[in-house]
Amino acid sequence: GENVEQHPSTLSVQEGDSAVIKCTYSDSASNYFPWYKQELGKRPQLIIDIRSNVGEKKDQRIAVTLNKTAKHFSLHITETQPEDSAVYFCAASNSSGYALNFGKGTSLLVTP
Amino acid sequence: NAGVTQTPKFQVLKTGQSMTLQCAQDMNHNSMYWYRQDPGMGLRLIYYSASEGTTDKGEVPNGYNVSRLNKREFSLRLESAAPSQTSVYFCASSMDRAALYEQFFGPGTRLTVL
Repeated sequence: GENVEQHPSTLSVQEGDSAVIKCTYSDSASNYFPWYKQELGKRPQLIIDIRSNVGEKKDQRIAVTLNKTAKHFSLHITETQPEDSAVYFCAASNSSGYALNFGKGTSLLVTP
Repeated sequence: NAGVTQTPKFQVLKTGQSMTLQCAQDMNHNSMYWYRQDPGMGLRLIYYSASEGTTDKGEVPNGYNVSRLNKREFSLRLESAAPSQTSVYFCASSMDRAALYEQFFGPGTRLTVL
């Protein structure tokens, strides 16, 4: 499948700090970029998404930015809290539009 | 609404045994998906069904078969299980194309092949 690279694989921040996770994709046809959060032992759940006609989207403490020219997008979490600790996955729609390619995930730990 | 449900939650198989993982959704979604999740590998698409009556291969289809039984149900079958198929399997569904609609995931099936 088309590659979605995600960095870093692990991230540790102090409560109240910001966290940034970055992803790059290779398929020029990708036009939908969701972010999923997976708590330990639970199912992935969508937290925010962005489409190719938008450069930035914000929802309270989380925001996503997209640079289509450079083929990269990022998740920003501000004022982190311990409950933000989880694995975060980025994804990009494939060329058919009927499937998503996921990054390998970032394990975020927020320490009090 | 139960959303996306999967059975069983846990399963242990011996090499060579077969089994079917069941998935059902009650959201009237057209598209359904099967993923496997391995440590450090993220979510990899095995098969998907864009609509009732259609199925397509994903990134890692070898060793698996699927059946879209009706609009609600999408099953994954392992004909001859191998230790490399030890994984957590997630089913997901979306209203329609993944590029347009959110995917909702089931709770997962943890499969161990000895």
